[in-house]
Amino acid sequence: EAEVAQSPRYKITEKSQAVAFWCDPISGHATLYWYRQILGQGPELLVQFQDESVVDDSQLPKDRFSAERLKGVDSTLKIQPAELGDSAMYLCASSLAGRSTDTQYFGPGTRLTVL
Amino acid sequence: DAKTTQPPSMDCAEGRAANLPCNHSTISGNEYVYWYRQIHSQGPQYIIHGLKNNETNEMASLIITEDRKSSTLILPHATLRDTAVYYCIVRVVGTGKLIFGQGTTLQVKP
Repeated sequence: EAEVAQSPRYKITEKSQAVAFWCDPISGHATLYWYRQILGQGPELLVQFQDESVVDDSQLPKDRFSAERLKGVDSTLKIQPAELGDSAMYLCASSLAGRSTDTQYFGPGTRLTVL
Repeated sequence: DAKTTQPPSMDCAEGRAANLPCNHSTISGNEYVYWYRQIHSQGPQYIIHGLKNNETNEMASLIITEDRKSSTLILPHATLRDTAVYYCIVRVVGTGKLIFGQGTTLQVKP
């Protein structure tokens, strides 16, 4: 069964450093999502791509976060500089398209700890 | 965006049916109800979704009331591996965005 791949699974960094997370969606999925999940809360959408274009980045802290999906396949989420409050699970999901009936499938996530 | 209300926690005996309720009184006519679950430290797992009719798959059944203001997820024979946080989500029309709430922590006990 096809799965969403993410790496690394765990990342520990010091504040003010740069970090990057990678996501490879299910093959053929045009829509890719990045979510952030703070401990004890549900995931919150950061950015949504349709192919290589950003559809929604209203909750992305653009002063320090950036996301790209250059060829419309895999994607990278970057934080620079990292802050203590960025410690969270970063989840990637993909769907066939962005329609309400297209199931989103999630990857295993990257657990970020900022010291 | 329609919000959902779920009990924060529930217990269920192993082998019994687990019935997880969800209220979504502000749901619009074309918005779908989705259920996901998240086992500790893993990514959310899709369970089932529906619009008006009751739905069943190999994992669970979804019962939606006629007025669509509430729904119930049924795990027919809960096992210890079903212990997880269960999220009921009304999916945003257009972008298809998922807005997660706090979910229900289901504890299946031997």
